[in-house]
Amino acid sequence: AQSVTQLDSHVSVSEGTPVLLRCNYSSSYSPSLFWYVQHPNKGLQLLLKYTSAATLVKGINGFEAEFKKSETSFHLTKPSAHMSDAAEYFCVVTLSGGYQKVTFGTGTKLQVIP
Amino acid sequence: DGGITQSPKYLFRKEGQNVTLSCEQNLNHDAMYWYRQDPGQGLRLIYYSQIVNDFQKGDIAEGYSVSREKKESFPLTVTSAQKNPTAFYLCASSIGGRAVMNTEAFFGQGTRLTVV
Repeated sequence: AQSVTQLDSHVSVSEGTPVLLRCNYSSSYSPSLFWYVQHPNKGLQLLLKYTSAATLVKGINGFEAEFKKSETSFHLTKPSAHMSDAAEYFCVVTLSGGYQKVTFGTGTKLQVIP
Repeated sequence: DGGITQSPKYLFRKEGQNVTLSCEQNLNHDAMYWYRQDPGQGLRLIYYSQIVNDFQKGDIAEGYSVSREKKESFPLTVTSAQKNPTAFYLCASSIGGRAVMNTEAFFGQGTRLTVV
């Protein structure tokens, strides 16, 4: 079985300050992990994905995430928030070893204060 | 361009009517998914299909039906049995199959269904 937990439903930061969105997962197999962003009334856009090649993953728009197996975490960070980063973010886990199934976290809404 | 297309973007339905949401992909993906999104509840899985002519119920399948007659298409019917159908519906696809690593899901732009 697999699951993913996003620890904060809402995060508020000031423009220019760091962003941290937390995600923990559980998986019986080696997982694939992703972060998606959703702007209002839009579909989801892939920010970054974890491959087994590197534990620190860089994505679009200055975001990055670090895979920590010992902590079963995949937190999303950005050094300096921009107003355009205000959106909802979803952590996602999939696993192989059987038919692939995608499991979503419940999402974190990021508010950026001017 | 390859991608996944949902139509229509906005849909209004009278109570008691069935309505079908379209989802088409030209990515040659085996797996397709339907999610429902409500404020504060994230994405909830309605149905998924890993291969043509096969589909499985997700977490909230009651009041919905799907078909997968073609690899490219995975339409969702919201039936009159769905008690609270007003929501944002998202379709997604992924490569699927066995032993497939590191493949993300691709999403359509969504259909907002409103029951009037």
